Amino acid sequence: DQQVKQNSPSLSVQEGRISILNCDYTNSMFDYFLWYKKYPAEGPTFLISISSIKDKNEDGRFTVFLNKSAKHLSLHIVPSQPGDSAVYFCAAYIYAGGTSYGKLTFGQGTILTVHP
Amino acid sequence: EAQVTQNPRYLITVTGKKLTVTCSQNMNHEYMSWYRQDPGLGLRQIYYSMNVEVTDKGDVPEGYKVSRKEKRNFPLILESPSPNQTSLYFCASSLLVNSNQPQHFGDGTRLSIL
Repeated sequence: DQQVKQNSPSLSVQEGRISILNCDYTNSMFDYFLWYKKYPAEGPTFLISISSIKDKNEDGRFTVFLNKSAKHLSLHIVPSQPGDSAVYFCAAYIYAGGTSYGKLTFGQGTILTVHP
Repeated sequence: EAQVTQNPRYLITVTGKKLTVTCSQNMNHEYMSWYRQDPGLGLRQIYYSMNVEVTDKGDVPEGYKVSRKEKRNFPLILESPSPNQTSLYFCASSLLVNSNQPQHFGDGTRLSIL
């Protein structure tokens, strides 16, 4: 049972354009969401996060949008650069109370390729 | 430099031969965790530890053991490895257990069980 899903295995974008990576979740208890970026032969590195009390969070070229009613989040990268080419994972966890705090649930990942 | 260090980075071994993958962090983090990454499945949590001597199962704990005798170390033990444990493994840590601090990952250990 995949509680966090990234339905696009790959995305190809031209340099300078917008990249939009999507993520859907099924567990309505999730209340904190993160995006990680992973280069080959390296571990994932934290990119940006959002709490369920917000619907948008920005950090430079990266913006994450959260639509709780649709259980959907997206990562926008504007403008895209060749160095952004990597695998992007969305992840979610239950922050407020409960026994699953600290337990991250990841999506399958999306390979982003940004062409010069 | 703040980091999570895993060893070995690569290992090819045979079914049934016990192995240990070490994980060490130098950031005084309370929380540590092990994940495996498999194609089409993303990262799945194996075990996690909220502090010294406190460990718990993640989503896919079968066939694995862990221990947390010191804050900095969190080894992953495969007592009798099998081919379905061939995977890319990541150790991660974060400062506090119940916080929004993001997890820091090691660079991974690629295990092949023949």
